[in-house]
Amino acid sequence: AQSVTQLDSHVSVSEGTPVLLRCNYSSSYSPSLFWYVQHPNKGLQLLLKYTSAATLVKGINGFEAEFKKSETSFHLTKPSAHMSDAAKYFCVVSDLTAGNKLTFGGGTRVLVKP
Amino acid sequence: EPEVTQTPSHQVTQMGQEVILRCVPISNHLYFYWYRQILGQKVEFLVSFYNNEISEKSEIFDDQFSVERPDGSNFTLKIRSTKLEDSAMYFCAGARGSYEQYFGPGTRLTVT
Repeated sequence: AQSVTQLDSHVSVSEGTPVLLRCNYSSSYSPSLFWYVQHPNKGLQLLLKYTSAATLVKGINGFEAEFKKSETSFHLTKPSAHMSDAAKYFCVVSDLTAGNKLTFGGGTRVLVKP
Repeated sequence: EPEVTQTPSHQVTQMGQEVILRCVPISNHLYFYWYRQILGQKVEFLVSFYNNEISEKSEIFDDQFSVERPDGSNFTLKIRSTKLEDSAMYFCAGARGSYEQYFGPGTRLTVT
């Protein structure tokens, strides 16, 4: 069975400072990993994906994530936070052996202070 | 840019009533999914659907739930007899292949 652990339920940053959202996964085989973002009262938007190509993945809005197999991690970073980054972020793993169902982490809520 | 749409955005129903949640996936998608998110909790997989049949379902997806793609465009989730604990945000998603899924904005279901 696959699982995802997001180590921080809340992260607070100042505008213009770096953001780091931590994610660890468990998978019995080479996983596909994703980060999704959910703005208040909105749906889930794909930020970026890792599918066994480059380990450093760039996504939308300046976000990037690094896949580290040895650490079973897929942390999300952004060099400079913007007020519009305030949202909930989900780390997600895909199970290709089970209808490609997604398993979500608990989410990290990001607060950006002016 | 094409988007997944869901209707209604908010559905209020009484316990025991049937509800149908509707989704229109992106036209070239082949794989379809339903997920739900109970308030304050994780997003949970319900069911995946491919080639007009269920390919995977979770323990949540019991006999009270059903899905169908009646006309090649809509993808529906039916709950036959709603319970209070079915109150949640329900998300439809679609995918062209076996990688990223594109989500709709969700339907908030409130069971009273």
